[in-house]
Amino acid sequence: GAGVSQSPRYKVAKRGQDVALRCDPISGHVSLFWYQQALGQGPEFLTYFQNEAQLDKSGLPSDRFFAERPEGSVSTLKIQRTQQEDSAVYLCASSLGRINAGAANNEQFFGPGTRLTVL
Amino acid sequence: DAKTTQPPSMDCAEGRAANLPCNHSTISGNEYVYWYRQIHSQGPQYIIHGLKNNETNEMASLIITEDRKSSTLILPHATLRDTAVYYCIASVGAGNMLTFGGGTRLMVKP
Repeated sequence: GAGVSQSPRYKVAKRGQDVALRCDPISGHVSLFWYQQALGQGPEFLTYFQNEAQLDKSGLPSDRFFAERPEGSVSTLKIQRTQQEDSAVYLCASSLGRINAGAANNEQFFGPGTRLTVL
Repeated sequence: DAKTTQPPSMDCAEGRAANLPCNHSTISGNEYVYWYRQIHSQGPQYIIHGLKNNETNEMASLIITEDRKSSTLILPHATLRDTAVYYCIASVGAGNMLTFGGGTRLMVKP
């Protein structure tokens, strides 16, 4: 069955370039998350969407990072004026339900990630 | 989310049980214990979760102590494909963001 897909899988950017990373969540999943994973570290939360609403962006490291999910399905993470410290794997995850709904069985399904290298 | 503590690495012989411990002494009453694993170059994969009772599924078993301050993930018959980083996470669930720590790097050896 179709899982979470991300594109591109690999992106090399020159410092100062803008990049856009795409996430296609599982159809019908309400929640969508973006995480950043530096080499040798665990993933770190960036931002969360419930349908088209961005409910939490507390993890975005700077105002150069921007995410959107205009129709409540596909999401794009945009990084402006990339810096070397932005080099990481960017992971997208989706889950069926809404945050704080109280249901326990709401596992997150992760995509394969986009590996961004900024030169 | 409560902080979790895991050993950085463990080895296990192929075919033997792998027992991965996790401490979560500050876990609150409404937080579940989730386990995910990440195989090299892939996104994390959900394994199992529990609140109070022990849980078992086709992948693993989860044993949670009565005081809920620690838990153990058990892979009953580890295979080489189980080599991965295993993350123990305390979360209120329902699509809440996951706070990953460093995890345990499990190496299954022939």
